[in-house]
Amino acid sequence: GQQVMQIPQYQHVQEGEDFTTYCNSSTTLSNIQWYKQRPGGHPVFLIQLVKSGEVKKQKRLTFQFGEAKKNSSLHITATQTTDVGTYFCVGATNKLIFGTGTLLAVQP
Amino acid sequence: SQTIHQWPATLVQPVGSPLSLECTVEGTSNPNLYWYRQAAGRGLQLLFYSVGIGQISSEVPQNLSASRPQDRQFILSSKKLLLSDSGFYLCAWSPALGAGELFFGEGSRLTVL
Repeated sequence: GQQVMQIPQYQHVQEGEDFTTYCNSSTTLSNIQWYKQRPGGHPVFLIQLVKSGEVKKQKRLTFQFGEAKKNSSLHITATQTTDVGTYFCVGATNKLIFGTGTLLAVQP
Repeated sequence: SQTIHQWPATLVQPVGSPLSLECTVEGTSNPNLYWYRQAAGRGLQLLFYSVGIGQISSEVPQNLSASRPQDRQFILSSKKLLLSDSGFYLCAWSPALGAGELFFGEGSRLTVL
């Protein structure tokens, strides 16, 4: 079946360092979404990418969608303690499949 | 504006007992509805989704079932809980299947003892 994998599973950074999580799908996607889940909370939508090669920015966050529409990345510049949580990519074909997630820990 | 409510928030159940989790959506009609399960420290597993009343698609064989008796109501049930059913259950809705933002409820944390 369709799988969406993310690496790394866990990342621990010092506040101010950059962070990147990578997402890979076994199948071509119609779009990809990114969500953030704070500890103990529910996932919250961050962004959706639709076009091949698309790049979008939200303040310190940069999202990319691969040319083949099978991979994506999220890069956070100069992490802050408020960035702590698990970041999920969600691949869309005829349904939405969550990636395995990357847990980000930020040390002040 | 649209809202999604999910309850109960927390429950502890013995093995073999029944389960009923409820989810309702307000402020929209004909939503696509989803049940996800998240084991501790893991990703979200899609359990069921529904595109309309009485229409349920199951993603994985399991001890659970889902029903959609009304347009904006989605229920997750089990007749006999297993230890492996423990986890964080999330209801979500989206305006379109396979596209558009997923809006999540606050979640129900189930512990089976």
